[in-house]
Amino acid sequence: GNSVTQMEGPVTLSEEAFLTINCTYTATGYPSLFWYVQYPGEGLQLLLKATKADDKGSNKGFEATYRKETTSFHLEKGSVQVSDSAVYFCALSDPTGTASKLTFGTGTRLQVTL
Amino acid sequence: GAGVSQSPSNKVTEKGKDVELRCDPISGHTALYWYRQSLGQGLEFLIYFQGNSAPDKSGLPSDRFSAERTGGSVSTLTIQRTQQEDSAVYLCASATEGLAGGEQFFGPGTRLTVL
Repeated sequence: GNSVTQMEGPVTLSEEAFLTINCTYTATGYPSLFWYVQYPGEGLQLLLKATKADDKGSNKGFEATYRKETTSFHLEKGSVQVSDSAVYFCALSDPTGTASKLTFGTGTRLQVTL
Repeated sequence: GAGVSQSPSNKVTEKGKDVELRCDPISGHTALYWYRQSLGQGLEFLIYFQGNSAPDKSGLPSDRFSAERTGGSVSTLTIQRTQQEDSAVYLCASATEGLAGGEQFFGPGTRLTVL
């Protein structure tokens, strides 16, 4: 079946540090890949996505590249801010299924300090 | 415009009671999903609606769980004879269509606590 593995948290960084959150996946077919973010006290919201190999999704300074050869979709940001503190979820949607349901990783909590 | 709304935001119930959780999707969204977020299991899919039909119910954990959608809009998730392991945040999401690359818009969730 489909699965998503992402690095354990929490990740604690100082402001302006470089961020990488690793995500790898297992899926049948060619899934679409997503990063969702959950800020404190708020609901899940889409951060970025990529729908085919070598696509790069980007938003708010975050980037992730769909790497089919390594089945990965690592999230990166060059300079984090305190306001980036949140829980980040990697997810996939498998087009071979009937539902386009999302399969999520366990989430990685990011804490950015001054 | 209005996003996905869910009610109640919090529900505390006693073991063995039935509960109903409501989801109002974004107007015009034909696809609707229920997920559950719990400490032990992370975020897991429960059921998918396309219009009023549910072609994928594979994530419902037991026959105590059921859901319906009426008028292609509001959905209700019902849990009968609640158990403590049902305690979780229940999330609803909607999308314009049930496409693999499409964005799903999530509601704020209903936090269910079973005593």
